[in-house]
Amino acid sequence: GAVVSQHPSWVICKSGTSVKIECRSLDFQATTMFWYRQFPKQSLMLMATSNEGSKATYEQGVEKDKFLINHASLTLSTLTVTSAHPEDSSFYICSARPDTYEQYFGPGTRLTVT
Amino acid sequence: AQSVAQPEDQVNVAEGNPLTVKCTYSVSGNPYLFWYVQYPNRGLQFLLKYITGDNLVKGSYGFEAEFNKSQTSFHLKKPSALVSDSALYFCAVRDRSGSARQLTFGSGTQLTVLP
Repeated sequence: GAVVSQHPSWVICKSGTSVKIECRSLDFQATTMFWYRQFPKQSLMLMATSNEGSKATYEQGVEKDKFLINHASLTLSTLTVTSAHPEDSSFYICSARPDTYEQYFGPGTRLTVT
Repeated sequence: AQSVAQPEDQVNVAEGNPLTVKCTYSVSGNPYLFWYVQYPNRGLQFLLKYITGDNLVKGSYGFEAEFNKSQTSFHLKKPSALVSDSALYFCAVRDRSGSARQLTFGSGTQLTVLP
């Protein structure tokens, strides 16, 4: 089946620094990628939808300048958490869609901001 | 607008017994429906989907789900539960006729299979 990878799987950073998370579709091309945030034992909350070569569409309440999304190619999207703070600590999951129906999910990135 | 409800936060079942995880949805048109499973500190794994055709959908690891349009439900079932099935399960929907391109997830149901 289709595989989506994320890197890193786990990162700790200091407050005020920036962190970049990569999401790659390994064996298919994804015109659309999604970024989700998940708190412990809660559902996935969609942060933004990105289309290759265009600006991301952010969900209400998500700060565009804080969560920078770049979908540079059909197989790569990046999420940069700028000036991270402890409240940004969370599990971030990306997803990629190769066709109309299905979305495939990455393994997630655990971000801890100290 | 599209939405999903998973009425049970927690489902406990004994190993070998049948299990059901409930899901109801709301869309303005016809739905695409999905079930995903999540193990601790992992992303979501696809289990099964309903797009069109037979209302009974068979998926991975012996799971199946039945699409019931009149009850707007898509309950996940398995005839005989395994301890290894213990995980967090999410139902998701997308309105095939709407402009929304993203999935909407339910709140999740923690399944615990007791040995």
